[in-house]
Amino acid sequence: EAAVTQSPRNKVTVTGGNVTLSCRQTNSHNYMYWYRQDTGHGLRLIHYSYGAGNLQIGDVPDGYKATRTTQEDFFLLLELASPSQTSLYFCASSDRGGDTLYFGAGTRLSVL
Amino acid sequence: GDSVTQTEGLVTLTEGLPVMLNCTYQSTYSPFLFWYVQHLNEAPKLLLKSFTDNKRPEHQGFHATLHKSSSSFHLQKSSAQLSDSALYYCALSEDGGTGSKLSFGKGAKLTVSP
Repeated sequence: EAAVTQSPRNKVTVTGGNVTLSCRQTNSHNYMYWYRQDTGHGLRLIHYSYGAGNLQIGDVPDGYKATRTTQEDFFLLLELASPSQTSLYFCASSDRGGDTLYFGAGTRLSVL
Repeated sequence: GDSVTQTEGLVTLTEGLPVMLNCTYQSTYSPFLFWYVQHLNEAPKLLLKSFTDNKRPEHQGFHATLHKSSSSFHLQKSSAQLSDSALYYCALSEDGGTGSKLSFGKGAKLTVSP
């Protein structure tokens, strides 16, 4: 079973705060993704990457930055957090683009 | 661009009745279609994936058939179980290649009652 680990599992910050969400996969997968999940909107892709140093823009990128430092590690950065970014964030990995995703357990972020 | 439409937001069924969750899509290229299932407080995980040779994928009693003529990949099960209660997502990807990604529908919440 593929292993994707997210940290922290829960995070509370204030409006304007700085937040970094971390994701590590140990499956030697090339692709990593950040999604947010909101009721009524489903899973929406924020950013993704197909290798260390690569970054691709997703469908809802505004207000987010991301960085892939190694094949294993993918970070999501919120530099000026807003209440609209309160959500459940999932990281996922896949061996090939558009193939089966393996999800982490999620990070619940609240921006007050 | 590519998109996936799931029409039912909430589905409530009695145990033992058949399940059908709709999924239609728009795609420029030859797509792969997926169904993911997410149980309460868990991460989404793959339930089914379409095959390139038109075989019908099946898992845990669920099946789905890719109909290119109608751009559909509906999820079906003959008899719902209480444990089927979950959130179901249909997803689409282009035909591989660098930069390919999955696009998800908005999801359908299935509740099965005794």
